[in-house]
Amino acid sequence: DAGVTQSPTHLIKTRGQQVTLRCSPKSGHDTVSWYQQALGQGPQFIFQYYEEEERQRGNFPDRFSGHQFPNYSSELNVNALLLGDSALYLCASSNVRDSNTEAFFGQGTRLTVV
Amino acid sequence: AQSVTQPDIHITVSEGASLELRCNYSYGATPYLFWYVQSPGQGLQLLLKYFSGDTLVQGIKGFEAEFKRSQSSFNLRKPSVHWSDAAEYFCAVGAPSNDYKLSFGAGTTVTVRA
Repeated sequence: DAGVTQSPTHLIKTRGQQVTLRCSPKSGHDTVSWYQQALGQGPQFIFQYYEEEERQRGNFPDRFSGHQFPNYSSELNVNALLLGDSALYLCASSNVRDSNTEAFFGQGTRLTVV
Repeated sequence: AQSVTQPDIHITVSEGASLELRCNYSYGATPYLFWYVQSPGQGLQLLLKYFSGDTLVQGIKGFEAEFKRSQSSFNLRKPSVHWSDAAEYFCAVGAPSNDYKLSFGAGTTVTVRA
């Protein structure tokens, strides 16, 4: 089992550009959540996808959007990048039908906006 | 709204000494509670979790945590620290109705000296 995989591992973008990050959930998981972790801080919940729909959303602007595909993989898109978007973006997968299990995290994508 | 406070930003401990990391949460009912560890540039690894039942929870790598409802706390402990325990530790809280939306504390950095 490969666990949760994220790509790319590192990315450098220029202000104003758009970026797409990708996440493949752990086998058997159907729910994907995205978190932003700024340097020196704890992860902040961005949103969560289940059954190809956004199920919950944290306090992030509409520049942050996502998608979930039929195979449960997910993308995080960020438009009009700001310097403040520089962070480690973490993907977590879980199974909504098993409330007694925890979310598994990927290794993250380090985004640097210059 | 749920939130987590980790009062200690940085703790230094000698190898072989005991370790305790503090975590206080805010939530209206009994939450789901988690401790994660993060090595530099890496994702999050779950150390232990509390959903219900016994308030003393055993985790991996010799860690344990105790849920104290009266104090809204979920402190992490390890009797004897190893150099490999140097990392960032995050406490997180989730609501049982949507436990995959986690709120994290700001983290505690643990340094282990020889």
